[in-house]
Amino acid sequence: SQQGEEDPQALSIQEGENATMNCSYKTSINNLQWYRQNSGRGLVHLILIRSNEREKHSGRLRVTLDTSKKSSSLLITASRAADTASYFCASNSGGGADGLTFGKGTHLIIQP
Amino acid sequence: EAGVAQSPRYKIIEKRQSVAFWCNPISGHATLYWYQQILGQGPKLLIQFQNNGVVDDSQLPKDRFSAERLKGVDSTLKIQPAKLEDSAVYLCASSLAPTSYEQYFGPGTRLTVT
Repeated sequence: SQQGEEDPQALSIQEGENATMNCSYKTSINNLQWYRQNSGRGLVHLILIRSNEREKHSGRLRVTLDTSKKSSSLLITASRAADTASYFCASNSGGGADGLTFGKGTHLIIQP
Repeated sequence: EAGVAQSPRYKIIEKRQSVAFWCNPISGHATLYWYQQILGQGPKLLIQFQNNGVVDDSQLPKDRFSAERLKGVDSTLKIQPAKLEDSAVYLCASSLAPTSYEQYFGPGTRLTVT
């Protein structure tokens, strides 16, 4: 079953703008991960945030986690055309090595 | 470093036929996962292996799906007999868990059941 829900389902912005997408999950987690999927490179891991972390940065990516609200957000700054893809949050509820529970994804389109 | 390999990339079969997918994980990755991704949805875990043992197959439709990972390296996922609703992309992933929880995905096999 799908545990996470991303919001919005689709997002279209101009190149250079920032993109924010949100994710909610239902059960307690060990960690939450964000993945990107496009036709060229398949499903690629972007960033992992552990349940005891509140914020994490990686290049142009910033992820926040609020375990009290069971939610996370992904911010992509200074967007580029190559960022056009579907973005999924995936929660891991076991000891960390368990299979992931993915949301339905946010489809991001960067307009040139 | 070579990534996760999957074959075939595409497969079209008729309902009630059987099909098999193959996965070769990244060298040294003991943990292997199979996911099913239906169009417009996120991937759904079907089965997880640790070396050659099954860790979680709670979401695997065992009346028609089977999977094995002989020798703890390559894995095969089989569907027999296939139904129309099995049309999806089947993704294989591997990880260095428990050292690292990041999962590396293969390109997937797109299955169409007619």
